[in-house]
Amino acid sequence: KQEVTQIPAALSVPEGENLVLNCSFTDSAIYNLQWFRQDPGKGLTSLLLIQSSQREQTSGRLNASLDKSSGRSTLYIAASQPGDSATYLCAVDEGAGSYQLTFGKGTKLSVIP
Amino acid sequence: NAGVTQTPKFQVLKTGQSMTLQCAQDMNHNSMYWYRQDPGMGLRLIYYSASEGTTDKGEVPNGYNVSRLNKREFSLRLESAAPSQTSVYFCASTTPPRGGSTGELFFGEGSRLTVL
Repeated sequence: KQEVTQIPAALSVPEGENLVLNCSFTDSAIYNLQWFRQDPGKGLTSLLLIQSSQREQTSGRLNASLDKSSGRSTLYIAASQPGDSATYLCAVDEGAGSYQLTFGKGTKLSVIP
Repeated sequence: NAGVTQTPKFQVLKTGQSMTLQCAQDMNHNSMYWYRQDPGMGLRLIYYSASEGTTDKGEVPNGYNVSRLNKREFSLRLESAAPSQTSVYFCASTTPPRGGSTGELFFGEGSRLTVL
């Protein structure tokens, strides 16, 4: 059974720092990997989706990388801002019509002004 | 630009009561999902509907039933609520690309259910 782990569970950084969030998964036979953002009391918002054939995806200050063979993905946030404070979750899709994503438990990020 | 709309946002039930959570999407998506989110457990799939007219069990279906009323609407019913069903429930939708993957998921804002 696929397991997705995100370490650390919580992270606090000063404003302006570049930071990396980590996601690891146990079964490398994935179709794609998604990174989501969740604000307190809200639903999840998809940030980036990386197909298994891709190495990375970029959107603004966010860059997500994928290394299937090692079972790892990272989300890089450049020049962090207080508005980036949220919980970030990764989820893997094993495809083959499974229609199921396996989610990590998230990393709660606090950016201190 | 509504996206995925869930009702109600908050609900308190007594053990044994029944209720239905409603979900509607206006993005013409084919697939819809119900997840629950619990502290320390992450998101877990309850049921999903790959397309209109079909429903399938996810990881934690016991105690729940679903109805895909039409392409827009997917409801989740608790027939006899239990305290273990206290959770935040999220509906999501997508149109999966060809090839068998789920695709980019769009989530509602959640329904917070407490069972006493």
